[in-house]
Amino acid sequence: DTAVSQTPKYLVTQMGNDKSIKCEQNLGHDTMYWYKQDSKKFLKIMFSYNNKELIINETVPNRFSPKSPDKAHLNLHINSLELGDSAVYFCASSQGGRGTDTQYFGPGTRLTVL
Amino acid sequence: AQSVAQPEDQVNVAEGNPLTVKCTYSVSGNPYLFWYVQYPNRGLQFLLKYITGDNLVKGSYGFEAEFNKSQTSFHLKKPSALVSDSALYFCALRMDSNYQLIWGAGTKLIIKP
Repeated sequence: DTAVSQTPKYLVTQMGNDKSIKCEQNLGHDTMYWYKQDSKKFLKIMFSYNNKELIINETVPNRFSPKSPDKAHLNLHINSLELGDSAVYFCASSQGGRGTDTQYFGPGTRLTVL
Repeated sequence: AQSVAQPEDQVNVAEGNPLTVKCTYSVSGNPYLFWYVQYPNRGLQFLLKYITGDNLVKGSYGFEAEFNKSQTSFHLKKPSALVSDSALYFCALRMDSNYQLIWGAGTKLIIKP
């Protein structure tokens, strides 16, 4: 009964490839997020969806494209991978977008671009 | 602009001693404040949050945090540290007007036996 799950856990790929990371939450939440954590452990919000609608779209290269087929899923597709994309990517969800809503995180996907 | 500062990159505490991980914030208005913990090679786990009311908030694993509006701080505390508390701790804030969590840079807590 994992609350927020991500697949794969590890992803090693060559520069220029296209890859996807999948996220699913079984908490019944309306809002989902993608974060990037760099090698210095800084957390950066990338995208957020509320009820399948994009509500946060930070300054992220357009090689990154989120897709939310339904409220429980938020996938991240990355085209033409670059060395600088190597990081840990976290998915999270919250009940809604209110300031009081707690975000719950998945275990992360460690992406290594060679 | 909203911001969160964690002034210490690393905090070292002996097992059994009290621990404090500091967090200060800058915001116009009333923030909601959160603490998360990240164990090595794991995701972030929610510890506690301050919404309103009692300034002392109790959370998971025996942690608590005190909201101090005058000092704009939300320090994380535990009366007696365990080696298993060693991890990376993040403070974050959010406003009603913003979907985003504003994150601190994280503090590495090391508990020595």
